[in-house]
Parts: sequence; structure tokens; C-alpha cells
Amino acid sequence: DGGITQSPKYLFRKEGQNVTLSCEQNLNHDAMYWYRQDPGQGLRLIYYSQIVNDFQKGDIAEGYSVSREKKESFPLTVTSAQKNPTAFYLCASSITYMTGGEQYFGPGTRLTVT
Amino acid sequence: SQQGEEDPQALSIQEGENATMNCSYKTSINNLQWYRQNSGRGLVHLILIRSNEREKHSGRLRVTLDTSKKSSSLLITASRAADTASYFCATATSGTYKYIFGTGTRLKVLA
Repeated sequence: DGGITQSPKYLFRKEGQNVTLSCEQNLNHDAMYWYRQDPGQGLRLIYYSQIVNDFQKGDIAEGYSVSREKKESFPLTVTSAQKNPTAFYLCASSITYMTGGEQYFGPGTRLTVT
Repeated sequence: SQQGEEDPQALSIQEGENATMNCSYKTSINNLQWYRQNSGRGLVHLILIRSNEREKHSGRLRVTLDTSKKSSSLLITASRAADTASYFCATATSGTYKYIFGTGTRLKVLA
């Protein structure tokens, strides 16, 4: 099956701990994205990557970090500097960043920090 | 603030009726996309309309785009209970393909 996988589906962490969310795609897409979704709200862009070994900050990058060492993988680390990390995190990919085509989304990871 | 704002925020209709939701945006766009999200799941792409297009169809979906009014509408005809979901518009501002999502319309179709 082709698609995007995110793991785990639910994640619980204590305040002050860093946590890494996994995102893998086998669609051979160049571009990958991380979004955050809060209840009743739209998606906000955290980071995006146009190509391997390159990534750019989105609108709400503070307290987050990413890496793009492989084309198929784009992990997101939520650091202890993120003041309100509890949210639903969605990873997406698209063929290229510049074509403006559809984005394919993973199933999401719900992070709860207490 | 969000580039795309959907209206209404919530909509409840009977199965078989049509559902219309609207999206307004603020700046010039390259294209506009509509996505569906079932509760607690990822988003699924429904349809993309480019800035030089005025109307597009896909199955029971009809999307219109009015760039002079900076607005788009999504019509779902003959709705089904399975259409119950949140619907989001996403716009890419001219010069960038960084999409901005609206706050969504929550559609409930009653059987």
C-alpha cells in the first residue's frame, strides 16, 4: 500500500520531556509537511521540507525541530520549549513543493502532555 | 489570522439534501483546494480549482471560485450519512505553495 504512516496514534508525555513523532511516506514525494491542529481549528504549518536535507520553518515553528535525512522520513520533535504541546499532529506530503498539487495526509498523532 | 475562513461553522442536514459551504480568503491565490476530515483522522483531498477556473465538478461535488470576491463554495449534492465530516478549504498565496487552511465547516448528515 502506498501512503503516509504516522506513529504512534496516541502519545502521552510528561511536561519537560522531548518527544519525537514519526512520519514515513512511500509515495516518492519530494515535499513533506508537519501541521498542528487544535480542537475546532484549522491546520497550522509547523515545518515543511521541499527536498532531502532541506527544511523551512512554518508559521508556528517555535519549540519544534525536524530533520530530513531520507526522502521518505520527516520526524518531528516536540521539545520542552513548546509551551502548549498538547494537540493533534498531522504529517503530509506532496509530489513537489512548487506544483501546488494535492497533499496526502497521514492519520495523525494525538499528543497529550501532562 | 487564517487565510481561509469557512462558513457556516456547522451544518446539519437530512440525508438526500444538498450541502453548501463557503470559503473566503484575503490575498491572491494560485489555487484553492477542499479537504475532508473524518473525526480524529487525517485529511483527504477532494478537489483542486486553479485561479483561472470558475467551476469544477467531481462526482457529487461541485466547487466554484470567484476570485473577484475572493471566495469559493463547495456543494455536495444528494448527501449521505457517510458525508458527515469536517470540510476545509486550503489556499496557496500567489508566489508560494505554502497552504493555509481555514477553520472548517462541520457537516452532519442525518439518516
